[in-house]
Amino acid sequence: AQRVTQPEKLLSVFKGAPVELKCNYSYSGSPELFWYVQYSRQRLQLLLRHISRESIKGFTADLNKGETSFHLKKPFAQEEDSAMYYCALSGRNAGNMLTFGGGTRLMVKP
Amino acid sequence: DGGITQSPKYLFRKEGQNVTLSCEQNLNHDAMYWYRQDPGQGLRLIYYSQIVNDFQKGDIAEGYSVSREKKESFPLTVTSAQKNPTAFYLCASSSRDRGLDNQPQHFGDGTRLSIL
Repeated sequence: AQRVTQPEKLLSVFKGAPVELKCNYSYSGSPELFWYVQYSRQRLQLLLRHISRESIKGFTADLNKGETSFHLKKPFAQEEDSAMYYCALSGRNAGNMLTFGGGTRLMVKP
Repeated sequence: DGGITQSPKYLFRKEGQNVTLSCEQNLNHDAMYWYRQDPGQGLRLIYYSQIVNDFQKGDIAEGYSVSREKKESFPLTVTSAQKNPTAFYLCASSSRDRGLDNQPQHFGDGTRLSIL
């Protein structure tokens, strides 16, 4: 069975501080990992995916297969980063089926 | 913005009633999904459909039913058999998986269902 764990329900940091949202997964095959974000009063939307290897809004995430992790990082948090973040996993050729973590609410204080 | 439209935004149900949540998309996506969102539990998959006239149970399908008669529409019925229906329901769609890469899902605004 596949599982995604986000150990922190709430993460509070000050503006300009580094931020790391943790995500660990369990999956027996070759996974694809995603980060989705939901800003206040907006729809849940894709932030980034590991196969793209790109930085979106200053966020990066590296898939670490040894540690089965896909932590989301940003060196300098901004107030507009405050949102709910969900880590999600899909197996290759799994028909787009996503398993979500419980989510982490990021609060960036001024 | 367009893309995926869920209605209504808020829905109230009496005990013993079935209710149907609407989900329409104009993205020409083959695949559609229904999730349930509860505080602290993330999103859990109820049902999904990869193609018209076909759908599969997700992780928590008991007490729910769906249909996929048209590509654009994927309504979810919450039946009286669902013992704890109060939740936030999200619909999503995606292009069909082609090759090895999974396609990202696009979400609607959601419907909040409450029991009277």
